[in-house]
Amino acid sequence: GQNIDQPTEMTATEGAIVQINCTYQTSGFNGLFWYQQHAGEAPTFLSYNVLDGLEEKGRFSSFLSRSKGYSYLLLKELQMKDSASYLCAVMDSNYQLIWGAGTKLIIKP
Amino acid sequence: GAVVSQHPSRVICKSGTSVKIECRSLDFQATTMFWYRQFPKQSLMLMATSNEGSKATYEQGVEKDKFLINHASLTLSTLTVTSAHPEDSSFYICSANLIGTEVSKQYFGPGTRLTVT
Repeated sequence: GQNIDQPTEMTATEGAIVQINCTYQTSGFNGLFWYQQHAGEAPTFLSYNVLDGLEEKGRFSSFLSRSKGYSYLLLKELQMKDSASYLCAVMDSNYQLIWGAGTKLIIKP
Repeated sequence: GAVVSQHPSRVICKSGTSVKIECRSLDFQATTMFWYRQFPKQSLMLMATSNEGSKATYEQGVEKDKFLINHASLTLSTLTVTSAHPEDSSFYICSANLIGTEVSKQYFGPGTRLTVT
């Protein structure tokens, strides 16, 4: 079966750095996405990785290792507004997204 | 970037009535749109894949006669929840698939919160 695993909840301090991990097992691979979702809102796109390595975009970076079925989202200089759920999703061979359950990130002052 | 809109954003209806939710790709054409449902504290669940000009493909466990999907044009897909019941109350999100030469992405609509009383 297809499976995406990520931690349920993480807590970090404002101004610090946090890494959210995601492991996956899917039928085919056409890229891995990270989305941010604030409560009551639709997910918003953060990053897309299809090749191994690190993609940096401002305070957010995403890393992918296809051989390990592993990705992480790195958030730097955390701000209170970063408190949200972070969803990892893999696009399978049929170009459909397989979603993880999301990681709730709590930022403390 | 590509924008997907949904209408309405919120709707309250009485049990037994039907509700139609529209999903539009505003600045691109989408041959494929996806409909998701999200219950509180759970991940998005794919309900169906909507293909322009053909019948939608429903995921296992989703009643096709209850959740009617029509993808009449390259920019519009509609989801109609027929004979709604309180257990259908949820957040419904659509996305449109942008197929490019290098990257395939789904762009999400803002979602529609349905409350059935």
